[in-house]
Amino acid sequence: DAGVIQSPRHEVTEMGQEVTLRCKPISGHNSLFWYRQTMMRGLELLIYFNNNVPIDDSGMPEDRFSAKMPNASFSTLKIQPSEPRDSAVYFCASSWRGSNTEAFFGQGTRLTVV
Amino acid sequence: DQQVKQNSPSLSVQEGRISILNCDYTNSMFDYFLWYKKYPAEGPTFLISISSIKDKNEDGRFTVFLNKSAKHLSLHIVPSQPGDSAVYFCAAFARFDGANNLFFGTGTRLTVIP
Repeated sequence: DAGVIQSPRHEVTEMGQEVTLRCKPISGHNSLFWYRQTMMRGLELLIYFNNNVPIDDSGMPEDRFSAKMPNASFSTLKIQPSEPRDSAVYFCASSWRGSNTEAFFGQGTRLTVV
Repeated sequence: DQQVKQNSPSLSVQEGRISILNCDYTNSMFDYFLWYKKYPAEGPTFLISISSIKDKNEDGRFTVFLNKSAKHLSLHIVPSQPGDSAVYFCAAFARFDGANNLFFGTGTRLTVIP
């Protein structure tokens, strides 16, 4: 199994530009999480999906952030327009909803907005 | 508001000694707790977990202790090794309203000195 796959690994963009982060969860997992890691707040849950349906997006910081999961094997996190304070590492994770197993994380996307 | 707190951002320990990482949580609905380990440029990986019906779980050099009345858990690493140097995240899980909820602390950076 290839694990959770995120792309790109690194993204540098100018303030005001649109940024799209991508995630492919582990096949068979039906819960998907987007996290943001910063020094101050650690791993913050932004949004998660169960069976492709967004369940809780209360962690999404602003309307500039949006996430979609059009099917069980793909999700995107979009920031439009991006700002320097969005610079962070963004992780996607997936798990099997039916049991208390651990979530498996991707390698993350390091976003730098200049 | 942080539901899972790791109040020590860093910890340094001599090789061979015990490392103790602490974590506090606020929500009594959490019923499963996990520790993740994160190396630079990688996603967090699952290390050890404990159900709320237990107060101790041991796996080799790693032991997690849970004190439900104090809403506190700790990770003990004995003996500590240089390869244990990483950021450790505590996480708490609860399923309510039919959805998974997994919250992380801000992490503790462990440095094991050879």
